[in-house]
Amino acid sequence: GENVEQHPSTLSVQEGDSAVIKCTYSDSASNYFPWYKQELGKRPQLIIDIRSNVGEKKDQRIAVTLNKTAKHFSLHITETQPEDSAVYFCAASIAGTASKLTFGTGTRLQVTL
Amino acid sequence: DAGITQSPRHKVTETGTPVTLRCHQTENHRYMYWYRQDPGHGLRLIHYSYGVKDTDKGEVSDGYSVSRSKTEDFLLTLESATSSQTSVYFCAISEALDSSSTDTQYFGPGTRLTVL
Repeated sequence: GENVEQHPSTLSVQEGDSAVIKCTYSDSASNYFPWYKQELGKRPQLIIDIRSNVGEKKDQRIAVTLNKTAKHFSLHITETQPEDSAVYFCAASIAGTASKLTFGTGTRLQVTL
Repeated sequence: DAGITQSPRHKVTETGTPVTLRCHQTENHRYMYWYRQDPGHGLRLIHYSYGVKDTDKGEVSDGYSVSRSKTEDFLLTLESATSSQTSVYFCAISEALDSSSTDTQYFGPGTRLTVL
């Protein structure tokens, strides 16, 4: 099955700086890579996703990059704000497996003033 | 939030008792999933369903069973709860039409289960 590793486990940045979270996956058949944000006591919420036929995707201050050869993908948050503080999860889905997701272990991002 | 509810939202039970968690959706989606979330493990798939009475195991299915008698409801049962099943349980739904398509999963609000 798929295995997803996520780093770092905690990340502290100052407001206005950029944050980068990295994930690697094991199965080259994975073709869908979503990122979820989870605030304390809340449900995971999708913030951006990328499919294997695309190398980069942006949505305002958030971007995701995918390197299929190296089997890794990254989340980039620019101009961080206090409301970006949360736990972020990457995930991967293998093609043809009913959208089942394998998650990374999460990154706790703290944006300090 | 994507028409998904879970009940109960919190439950405390004792070791050895049966527990059933309910996930209800109003989106008429075919695929539904149960995950558990534990510190240091992220979210792990327990079981999923691809239609009424069609279910399959996930990564951590031991000690759990599921049922889906209606499109809108997906039940997770712990036949005899153990302390290792203390966790937060999330239900999710997907717009996927069949196993070959990959679509976004949307999560319910979660159920916090404590087994004493």
